[in-house]
Amino acid sequence: GAGVSQSPSNKVTEKGKDVELRCDPISGHTALYWYRQSLGQGLEFLIYFQGNSAPDKSGLPSDRFSAERTGGSVSTLTIQRTQQEDSAVYLCASSPDTNYEQYFGPGTRLTVT
Amino acid sequence: GENVEQHPSTLSVQEGDSAVIKCTYSDSASNYFPWYKQELGKRPQLIIDIRSNVGEKKDQRIAVTLNKTAKHFSLHITETQPEDSAVYFCAARVWNNDMRFGAGTRLTVKP
Repeated sequence: GAGVSQSPSNKVTEKGKDVELRCDPISGHTALYWYRQSLGQGLEFLIYFQGNSAPDKSGLPSDRFSAERTGGSVSTLTIQRTQQEDSAVYLCASSPDTNYEQYFGPGTRLTVT
Repeated sequence: GENVEQHPSTLSVQEGDSAVIKCTYSDSASNYFPWYKQELGKRPQLIIDIRSNVGEKKDQRIAVTLNKTAKHFSLHITETQPEDSAVYFCAARVWNNDMRFGAGTRLTVKP
């Protein structure tokens, strides 16, 4: 079946502009995660959605970052007034309710110029 | 919240030798510990995981051990091959909570 998909695969934006990154999880997966990975670095947790519960936003680095998950499926990560330090690969992952394994999407490479 | 530390940050071994990567975690309620392999430019892929009710799990050349008392777990790769070269991440999760990853270990297997 289809895996986790993300769009766009690459995004170049000017400093100060807003961007939206999209994640389509595996159908039926109730948990969805966003991570940020700077070049050569580890996986930085951003936000976590689980079913209809309030999301865990504890990893969002600033109030310029926000995320939504509509209808328990597609999620959008929004970064407002982008800064150069926001440049990174943004990875989305989903997992089913009864199994903890996370399935990662291919990521969106964001470059802020 | 959970805090995961991973060592070493880089590891170089000769083909055929074993490689061991170690992680510690802070939250004693963590009950799921996966290991991911990330090849250059690709997404992380799960290679093995262990739950808190077992102490060891093995899958061919890969094994993971868990010491709940000491709050540490390790990845063991035996008979390493050049294709094992990648960055490996450990992670820990408390039930129904988010996953926290270690900083990663860059493994290089020299032919």
